[in-house]
Amino acid sequence: AQSVTQLDSQVPVFEEAPVELRCNYSSSVSVYLFWYVQYPNQGLQLLLKYLSGSTLVKGINGFEAEFNKSQTSFHLRKPSVHISDTAEYFCAVGGRFQGKSTFGDGTTLTVKP
Amino acid sequence: KAGVTQTPRYLIKTRGQQVTLSCSPISGHRSVSWYQQTPGQGLQFLFEYFSETQRNKGNFPGRFSGRQFSNSRSEMNVSTLELGDSALYLCASSQSDPGSPLHFGNGTRLTVT
Repeated sequence: AQSVTQLDSQVPVFEEAPVELRCNYSSSVSVYLFWYVQYPNQGLQLLLKYLSGSTLVKGINGFEAEFNKSQTSFHLRKPSVHISDTAEYFCAVGGRFQGKSTFGDGTTLTVKP
Repeated sequence: KAGVTQTPRYLIKTRGQQVTLSCSPISGHRSVSWYQQTPGQGLQFLFEYFSETQRNKGNFPGRFSGRQFSNSRSEMNVSTLELGDSALYLCASSQSDPGSPLHFGNGTRLTVT
C-alpha cells in the first residue's frame, strides 16, 4: 500500500522569498515520486519527477526536490518565488502502473506581493 | 502533440440522472485513468484502462463505470447521480513505461442538484 502526506495545507510567502513544500510518503515497494501543480480551473501538470539516481531533481519554473529515502520524504523547494507560482501543489507516488497514483491532499501556495 | 482533451467542461445534472464524460488521451498513450477531485476528499482514483481493459479500480460504488475504445479514447459513466457526486472529474493519460508521469486534461466540472 502507498500513502502520501503533505505536511502543510497552506503556505503563504512573500514574493522573492524561498519556499519549501513538505511531502512524506510510504510504500512497500520501490516508488516513483512526482510533484504536480494545479492552477485554478485547470488540470494538474508535472513539475518534476524522481525515478532513480541523483536524489536532487530539477523541474520546471525553477523548482527542485530532494528525495530522502531514510526519511521517506520528497520536499519541494524554490529559492525565490513569484506571484505566478500561486497555485495548489500535489505530491504523488506511483508504482508499477502509473495510472493508479496516490496523491497527497495538496498544499496551497499563496505568494504575496 | 495535442494534450488530453475532456468534454464537456461543465455539466449540471439532477439527482437520479446519469452522465457520460469523455476523454481523448495524448496520441500514443495507451493508459487512461480517471480521478475525482473534491475539496473534502482531494484526488481519488476511480479506475485505469489500458488497451481497452480495466487494469485498476478504486473504491467507488458500481454506479461509476468506464470503458476504453480501440483508439484509446475513454468514457466514464455515473448512473443514478447523487449530490455527493458533484466534483471535478479529471482524466489522465500516460505512456506504458514504469515511472511515466500522468498528463491531465482540464477536467469536467459536474454539479448535481
